[in-house]
Amino acid sequence: AQKVTQAQTEISVVEKEDVTLDCVYETRDTTYYLFWYKQPPSGELVFLIRRNSFDEQNEISGRYSWNFQKSTSSFNFTITASQVVDSAVYFCALSEVDSNYQLIWGAGTKLIIKP
Amino acid sequence: DSGVTQTPKHLITATGQRVTLRCSPRSGDLSVYWYQQSLDQGLQFLIQYYNGEERAKGNILERFSAQQFPDLHSELNLSSLELGDSALYFCASSPQTVHELKETQYFGPGTRLLVL
Repeated sequence: AQKVTQAQTEISVVEKEDVTLDCVYETRDTTYYLFWYKQPPSGELVFLIRRNSFDEQNEISGRYSWNFQKSTSSFNFTITASQVVDSAVYFCALSEVDSNYQLIWGAGTKLIIKP
Repeated sequence: DSGVTQTPKHLITATGQRVTLRCSPRSGDLSVYWYQQSLDQGLQFLIQYYNGEERAKGNILERFSAQQFPDLHSELNLSSLELGDSALYFCASSPQTVHELKETQYFGPGTRLLVL
């Protein structure tokens, strides 16, 4: 069965530190998609990135970077030089073609950036 | 702003009542998904509609139902409400064309339901 594990319930760092959020997934499908969403205190879910199972290339977008490794079934998210505005709950999610792309969610990691 | 709208933003009601949550997808998106976010269960997929037809069902209770109308907006109906139904309900839409990332879902701001 599909499953997404975010083992870190809460992480607290001081501003400007780098922080990595871990995500491990389980799936039997060969075609699947991985996502990260951000949920700030205001509550909305903001799409950050999508990766498909055929593309293991890492991605960098500004201070954000993602490391996708099929060998370890992981899709980790790193924020470099963190800022207070990065404080939010971050969710990793998985979808599969055979499941009509419904999202299977991790439990989320609450990130606190202290000034 | 994702382009997905949900109304109302907040809803307070009593046990046993029935409520309707409304969602308008992004312009042109044919697919609508409903999710529930609660403290004990986290984020869970409820149901998906595509161009007016039910496409997939998740952990949706029998007391809950949904539909998608010809103008593509969707409604989630929750009846015989219980205290445990208090949650944040999200709607998401995704494009269904080969030229867009059809696998990506864009979320509305959610409806926060409180059952007293």
